[in-house]
Amino acid sequence: GNSVTQMEGPVTLSEEAFLTINCTYTATGYPSLFWYVQYPGEGLQLLLKATKADDKGSNKGFEATYRKETTSFHLEKGSVQVSDSAVYFCALGMRGYQKVTFGTGTKLQVIP
Amino acid sequence: DVKVTQSSRYLVKRTGEKVFLECVQDMDHENMFWYRQDPGLGLRLIYFSYDVKMKEKGDIPEGYSVSREKKERFSLILESASTNQTSMYLCASSSNRRDNEQFFGPGTRLTVL
Repeated sequence: GNSVTQMEGPVTLSEEAFLTINCTYTATGYPSLFWYVQYPGEGLQLLLKATKADDKGSNKGFEATYRKETTSFHLEKGSVQVSDSAVYFCALGMRGYQKVTFGTGTKLQVIP
Repeated sequence: DVKVTQSSRYLVKRTGEKVFLECVQDMDHENMFWYRQDPGLGLRLIYFSYDVKMKEKGDIPEGYSVSREKKERFSLILESASTNQTSMYLCASSSNRRDNEQFFGPGTRLTVL
């Protein structure tokens, strides 16, 4: 079956540090890939997505590139802010099938 | 903007009570989902619905049931609440036209005493 593996947290960074959160997936076929973010006390919201190999999703300074050869979709940001403190979920979905497989989430804490 | 609302942000119930969690979406989405979120376990799918009156079990349906009588509303029912159902419950919806993108409500934190 499909699965998503992401690095365990928590990840603690100083403000303006570089962020990478690793995500790898297993899927039969060609999934769409997503990063969702959950701020404290809120539900998840879509951060970015990529629907085919070599696509780069980007939003709010975050980027992730769909790498078919390494089955990865790592999340990066060049300079994190305190307001980026949240839990980040990597996820995959298969076209024509509405269920989404989520990773276990990585908590990011950014300190001033 | 898509809006998904859940009936309560916080709920406290006693063991054995029947509990209803309500979710409403306003964007005419075909699909609706109920997840529970627990530390270290991420999101686990309880049930989902792809049409009115249609439902499919997710990964952890035991102890839960659902109802979808109208397209915009999806209810999660705990027939007899137990302490191991204390959790954060998240509702989501999605459109068949939007590449699996799911829109989430704010969550209901349920405590069963």
